[in-house]
Parts: sequence; C-alpha cells; structure tokens
Amino acid sequence: QKEVEQNSGPLSVPEGAIASLNCTYSDRGSQSFFWYRQYSGKSPELIMSIYSNGDKEDGRFTAQLNKASQYVSLLIRDSQPSDSATYLCAVNIPYGNNRLAFGKGNQVVVIP
Amino acid sequence: NAGVTQTPKFQVLKTGQSMTLQCAQDMNHNSMYWYRQDPGMGLRLIYYSASEGTTDKGEVPNGYNVSRLNKREFSLRLESAAPSQTSVYFCASLQFGLTGELFFGEGSRLTVL
Repeated sequence: QKEVEQNSGPLSVPEGAIASLNCTYSDRGSQSFFWYRQYSGKSPELIMSIYSNGDKEDGRFTAQLNKASQYVSLLIRDSQPSDSATYLCAVNIPYGNNRLAFGKGNQVVVIP
Repeated sequence: NAGVTQTPKFQVLKTGQSMTLQCAQDMNHNSMYWYRQDPGMGLRLIYYSASEGTTDKGEVPNGYNVSRLNKREFSLRLESAAPSQTSVYFCASLQFGLTGELFFGEGSRLTVL
C-alpha cells in the first residue's frame, strides 16, 4: 500500500466552478498534511497545511482532514485559469526522521 | 533572498559518467532533502538529512550518494549515471519538525543518454 495516494486523473473544471481533490494515506500515526501546487516546469509551493480533523479555509482554498478515514481533500472555489496546475498531497511519515511522502499529484485544468 | 539554490539547472550525461548536484539554502534550516520527479510518479525521496551531520535513505536511494557538507549545503552525487536516472531533481529544506513549509529549489533537469 502506497504511503500517499492520489488516484484521480486530470480534472477539468469550468471557470468559476469548484474543483475537488482527494488524497488518502496509509499511516495512522501521520499528524501533518499539506497541499502543494506545482505549475508546469516550476517547483512545488505550499498552499495549505492542516493538522486537525475538520476544515481549514484560506481564501478560495479549503482543506479537509478526516483522520479516522485517513483522507485529506482540497476544494478550490471559484476556480480561475491561474489555478491550472498539478496539486500534490504530502503527509508526514511519523517514524524515523523528518520525512514527507508525496502523492503522484492531480492535474487541474480550469477552462475559461 | 535566494532561499534554496540548486546547480546546475540542466545537465546531459552519458551512461557511466559521474556528476554532483549542488544545493545550498540560506534560511538556516536544519533539514534538507533530495527528491526526484518523473512523469506520473510524483515526488520520490532519494535521501534526506534531518540535521547537520546526519543523512538517511529515502524511497529510491540506489545509485546515489549524498553529503551534508555543512548546515547550508547538501549535495547529491551520481557515481555512474544510468538512463533510468533521467529525471528532474529537486532539493528542499525545512526548519524543523513537519509543521512548517518545505521550501524547494528550482530543480535540476538531468538527461542520461
């Protein structure tokens, strides 16, 4: 079982719609969860972090965490063409030293 | 404010050649990481250094070696490059713990022929 899984294929959404991305993780001891955005040819940048069950909102982005079900999601409201990117879910691995495991990423395309 | 700086940004090697990717951060971070990114594979951890003086293997360490030269610098060496090591390599750093942001360099695109 992979440490972090993002299974959805590319997601196309109309401008102004909501984009929904999901991520599951395997280790129940994980405590820190992140969403990174990566534009084509660029390096990943952090857009959201979440540590407690429930929702966390930051502007048009909402991260949702459910530790019992071991999933994290990201909602992008009022999607804009500038949101077109790959979104990477990252989860801390609690054993050993500081280490983050990343999912494969989900590509989002916002159609004007 | 440079952040995380990687060199070189592009490199073409022949099979069997060696090279070193350099990474330096000016944020006084304790932890540093090397990832590779391949299409459809996401970011995979090669090696990391939780603090100066320590290094540990990640998911895909075979064919690579690392050196944490000092708190600022963390290099990745390919001793005998193989076509399977064609990838984009990212260095990243973190202050401490995993409640903070992982800062990435711009990436190094390596092609092994």
